[in-house]
Amino acid sequence: KAGVTQTPRYLIKTRGQQVTLSCSPISGHRSVSWYQQTPGQGLQFLFEYFSETQRNKGNFPGRFSGRQFSNSRSEMNVSTLELGDSALYLCASSRGGHTGELFFGEGSRLTVL
Amino acid sequence: AQTVTQSQPEMSVQEAETVTLSCTYDTSESDYYLFWYKQPPSRQMILVIRQEAYKQQNATENRFSVNFQKAAKSFSLKISDSQLGDAAMYFCAYRSATQGGSEKLVFGKGTKLTVNP
Repeated sequence: KAGVTQTPRYLIKTRGQQVTLSCSPISGHRSVSWYQQTPGQGLQFLFEYFSETQRNKGNFPGRFSGRQFSNSRSEMNVSTLELGDSALYLCASSRGGHTGELFFGEGSRLTVL
Repeated sequence: AQTVTQSQPEMSVQEAETVTLSCTYDTSESDYYLFWYKQPPSRQMILVIRQEAYKQQNATENRFSVNFQKAAKSFSLKISDSQLGDAAMYFCAYRSATQGGSEKLVFGKGTKLTVNP
């Protein structure tokens, strides 16, 4: 069974650009969450989608957005990149019930120059 | 808002020995879940163990067990018979059971565990 797949794995952007990250959840999973991981702030919740609807949102500026498609795949977009957006962006999927187990992808490493 | 604190940024243990990682949390809720996640150098996080707050019995998974003290809001992870493959970052995480089905996790800052041969 394929795990959570995130693309691209690594990318370098410059300030002011925008970036789109993709996440393909485990087959059958309807919930996708995104987290930002940095050495200083640790793991911070960005947003969560379930059946194409945003179910929860973290405390990030509006430059951070996401969406989920009918096949449960999800994308997140960051516009007007800042140096502080450099981070590992992790996607996690689950069935969406109350099992509480999230399955994480290996992440997309974003470097903003 | 809930917070999770891991007071040990780094820990080390000898192979085959036992180590305990600490975690405390703050919440006003009575129904929630607690987790320990492991993030090896390859970066993919995997679930180690889960505890439902309403269960008094401490969870165990093979060599991994927890000491859940609800009143003290403490949730420590014990790793017995440590193996080289246990070396990783360990994150304690909290999830509310009363947020409309959301599975949002609040993470601690992590503890880096080194296993010495």
